[in-house]
Amino acid sequence: SAVISQKPSRDICQRGTSLTIQCQVDSQVTMMFWYRQQPGQSLTLIATANQGSEATYESGFVIDKFPISRPNLTFSTLTVSNMSPEDSSIYLCSVEDVAGSSSSYNEQFFGPGTRLTVL
Amino acid sequence: AQTVTQSQPEMSVQEAETVTLSCTYDTSESDYYLFWYKQPPSRQMILVIRQEAYKQQNATENRFSVNFQKAAKYFSLKISDSQLGDAAMYFCAYRRSTGTASKLTFGTGTRLQVTL
Repeated sequence: SAVISQKPSRDICQRGTSLTIQCQVDSQVTMMFWYRQQPGQSLTLIATANQGSEATYESGFVIDKFPISRPNLTFSTLTVSNMSPEDSSIYLCSVEDVAGSSSSYNEQFFGPGTRLTVL
Repeated sequence: AQTVTQSQPEMSVQEAETVTLSCTYDTSESDYYLFWYKQPPSRQMILVIRQEAYKQQNATENRFSVNFQKAAKYFSLKISDSQLGDAAMYFCAYRRSTGTASKLTFGTGTRLQVTL
């Protein structure tokens, strides 16, 4: 299984500023995902990040607001730009890893999340 | 588009008892995966159990088992011999089995309380 770390674990930011969240995986993975979990809500996919290509954003999320980098197979960043209080959420990184050599199923593992509060 | 619905925002169970969390979903696909994830206060999402839609047999993982009714698009999680450590948010999730759409679609969650 993949072990995922995120930095920072939490932050309190001022309105109008930007925050970059890092996601580090202990093994090479093809697909990485960024999710948002607003207070008391479920998880919503922001974008899928594959190494060497542009991130694919879900409806309602745009690159200017949530730029993503994926420089290699073990690392990705998500930036929350020009923040407002509505961006206060937990942001989770997820990766897809091969469950086993004989398995066609790729399990998804989640990082511990970054709790962002925007004042 | 696929949707996942959890109609129980909160559930409570006594320690050592059994509880069932419900989930319904909507999809036009015939092949897919369904999951139950657990999110304790630490925020770490933990996979509890997985069900492949092509399998008729219900998945089981120790104290956790599912009731998968494909025709009814119903997918419940049964927790037997509940323990204090089972207290968490439980999310039902759906994923297509093929293609680039590996994203998970989550339900709104059920908060499970375990009492002594």
